Amino acid sequence: SAVISQKPSRDICQRGTSLTIQCQVDSQVTMMFWYRQQPGQSLTLIATANQGSEATYESGFVIDKFPISRPNLTFSTLTVSNMSPEDSSIYLCSVEGNEQFFGPGTRLTVL
Amino acid sequence: AQSVTQLDSQVPVFEEAPVELRCNYSSSVSVYLFWYVQYPNQGLQLLLKYLSGSTLVKGINGFEAEFNKSQTSFHLRKPSVHISDTAEYFCAVSDRDDYKLSFGAGTTVTVRA
Repeated sequence: SAVISQKPSRDICQRGTSLTIQCQVDSQVTMMFWYRQQPGQSLTLIATANQGSEATYESGFVIDKFPISRPNLTFSTLTVSNMSPEDSSIYLCSVEGNEQFFGPGTRLTVL
Repeated sequence: AQSVTQLDSQVPVFEEAPVELRCNYSSSVSVYLFWYVQYPNQGLQLLLKYLSGSTLVKGINGFEAEFNKSQTSFHLRKPSVHISDTAEYFCAVSDRDDYKLSFGAGTTVTVRA
């Protein structure tokens, strides 16, 4: 089973700033996924990050707002840009596979 | 594209009573099915999954689920709940090819003594 870690675990940010969230996996994986969980809501897929290619974004999410990097097979970053209070959420990464394990999440509060 | 409907938003239940959480999905392709649990202020934990084979799937913490293809359902059950089962439960489905998960809205289970 994959072990996934995320940094930071939580942060409080001012509107208009950006935050980069890191996701590290203990094994090599082709696909990594970024999800958002808004307060009291379910999870929504933001994008799929494949190593060596551009991320694929789901409807309603754009690269300018959520740029993603995938420099190697064990690491990815998600940046939340030009933040507003509506971006306050838990951001989670997960990896491909039948187990669909998730990282512990990053709890972001935007003031 | 898939969609997932969790039919109960909140389920209050007494300790040691059985519980069933209902999940229906729609998809034009074959899928994998999952149940996750999220305890208060914690991350997402996989309870069980259906990939293929036997339609009755057993998971952790005494939970089980049954895949019913004709009814496109994947209901979660536990014969006797504990206070510690108080949590949010999410049903999810993924296409067998791309591993992208679509989640239901979640069911809040509150177990009372």
